Amino acid sequence: EADIYQTPRYLVIGTGKKITLECSQTMGHDKMYWYQQDPGMELHLIHYSYGVNSTEKGDLSSESTVSRIRTEHFPLTLESARPSHTSQYLCASSPGQGAVMANEKLFFGSGTQLSVL
Amino acid sequence: GDSVTQMEGPVTLSEEAFLTINCTYTATGYPSLFWYVQYPGEGLQLLLKATKADDKGSNKGFEATYRKETTSFHLEKGSVQVSDSAVYFCALRVSGYSTLTFGKGTMLLVSP
Repeated sequence: EADIYQTPRYLVIGTGKKITLECSQTMGHDKMYWYQQDPGMELHLIHYSYGVNSTEKGDLSSESTVSRIRTEHFPLTLESARPSHTSQYLCASSPGQGAVMANEKLFFGSGTQLSVL
Repeated sequence: GDSVTQMEGPVTLSEEAFLTINCTYTATGYPSLFWYVQYPGEGLQLLLKATKADDKGSNKGFEATYRKETTSFHLEKGSVQVSDSAVYFCALRVSGYSTLTFGKGTMLLVSP
């Protein structure tokens, strides 16, 4: 059902490398989100966007950065990856404009499993 | 702040057993409540939701009732299948806030 895509699906890299995790959605959603999922499965919101040129930090402090130049694209970048960044990263989007409605549904991508050696 | 507490897993059941996964919440406003499911190797997908007290959300044989008096939204299914093995997340959102507050997730393992 979900038309939200994340690449790569798996990524293993060395410490110090710069990486970009891609997220694209074809549903025309204004709102997009990045969640970090730890090995214990808990989800932490690290970034979100309400639309083009809008980005905000989430509940969990993260060394990553995001950009929103196009509605459909919300990439996440780590300038210098470290082993502590090893995690599952989930991208999501939701429809509607303006403030978030309480009953809005999130659509998730399949995630990127990042391992930093 | 807002929070969601779920029972810890894993929950291990045999096929056709009855399932309950407990979820309680605290919220400063009047939240909508959700259950999301994450199958192995996939992202999360919405399973069901309820937007006001006494509402019952249902989907794929799963049900949960919004209980304001006990601040609970327990997930139930009368007869689980092996294909229900997944991680289940309870979540809430109060209108006007961007953050969907998730519980820590409960892993369900169903054996034949």
